[in-house]
Order: sequence, then structure tokens, then C-alpha cells
Amino acid sequence: ILNVEQSPQSLHVQEGDSTNFTCSFPSSNFYALHWYRWETAKSPEALFVMTLNGDEKKKGRISATLNTKEGYSYLYIKGSQPEDSATYLCAFLNQAGTALIFGKGTTLSVSS
Amino acid sequence: ETGVTQTPRHLVMGMTNKKSLKCEQHLGHNAMYWYKQSAKKPLELMFVYSLEERVENNSVPSRFSPECPNSSHLFLHLHTLQPEDSALYLCASSQGPGFSSYEQYFGPGTRLTVT
Repeated sequence: ILNVEQSPQSLHVQEGDSTNFTCSFPSSNFYALHWYRWETAKSPEALFVMTLNGDEKKKGRISATLNTKEGYSYLYIKGSQPEDSATYLCAFLNQAGTALIFGKGTTLSVSS
Repeated sequence: ETGVTQTPRHLVMGMTNKKSLKCEQHLGHNAMYWYKQSAKKPLELMFVYSLEERVENNSVPSRFSPECPNSSHLFLHLHTLQPEDSALYLCASSQGPGFSSYEQYFGPGTRLTVT
């Protein structure tokens, strides 16, 4: 059974704080890792798709790193803003391309 | 607006009803997906269609029946559902074949309640 774990489950920070959360996934048969942001009452929106060990991607104040050998990815948000409040999902895609497994997500709340 | 639309947005149905969920993508993508989001559970993949052919069926009960008449449309036909099938059903699409490194574009979902 493939397991994707995200931690923490939820997080509350003040505006301006920087924060990060973790996605753990099986280190074998890795093909790609997806990150999505899901705001309340909206559709999940893709942030990054990462495939290479050591990869680092950035979109504005949000960045992500990938370690496929140990099976984890970090998502960083610099200078959190209230509009960053959302649930952040990661999803593991295996080499056979037969499974895209999502974690339960980390719910971030940013207060001003 | 992600380019993926779903109708209806909300649906209440009895256990003996038959209904269908519709998804349409305006992105020219080749793959479409149905997901189920139950409370306190991760998104669960139900079905994948790539170039209008089903490539994955994740042990979904037969009371859920997908249909992909063309690359832009995806349906989920529902019949004799159970209350535990109440959930948010999300449709998604992606460029390229199903299950690739391409990002997925999600619709807004259909909130289904089975009474």
C-alpha cells in the first residue's frame, strides 16, 4: 500500500511569518511529485510538478524542494499573507504511472 | 476559472435514484479523471481516461459508471448509491497521457448527498 503523509495537519501563522510543511512519500518507484493549493470553495490549483532529485522550484513567495532518495518534499512560504490560507496537497506518482496518491493535506491559516 | 467545468454543483439523491455528473474541459487536454473527496480522507482517484480510453479503475463499486464520449467530456453515472457515497466528486484533466508529470486542472466539484 502506497502512503503519502503530510505534516503538520494544520498550521496557523501570523501575516509576515515564513512557514514550511512536509510531504513524505515512498522513495522507491518514484516518478513525480505534485503540489496543489486548494482554497475553500475553489478548485485545487497546481503549484509544482517535480521529477528530479534535488530539484527546487519557485513561484513567487512559494518554493518547494525534492529529495527522492529519502522520500520527502518541503513546501516553503515566505512572508505569509492571508490569501495564502488554503489546504496544500501533495501527490506521489509512481514509475509505472499507475497510481497518483494524494496526502491528506496541510491546512494553513494566515491571520492579519 | 480553471477551464474545467462540472455540473451540477450540488446534488441530493435517494438511494434508488439514477443521476449523472458531467465534466467538460476547454483546455484541449488528453486525459480526464474522476476523484472522490470524503470528509477527513485524502483525494481518492476513481477513474482515469486517456485519449477517451479508460486506463484505470481503482476498484470502484459498479454503482459508479464512467463514460468518456470524447476528449472534452466526462460523465459519472450514479445508480443505487449508498449514504456513504456522499462526498465531493472532482473532475480533472491534464495534457498528455493519463498519469504523467503534467499538472492536473481541477473542476469545482459536485457536492453529492445520498439520502
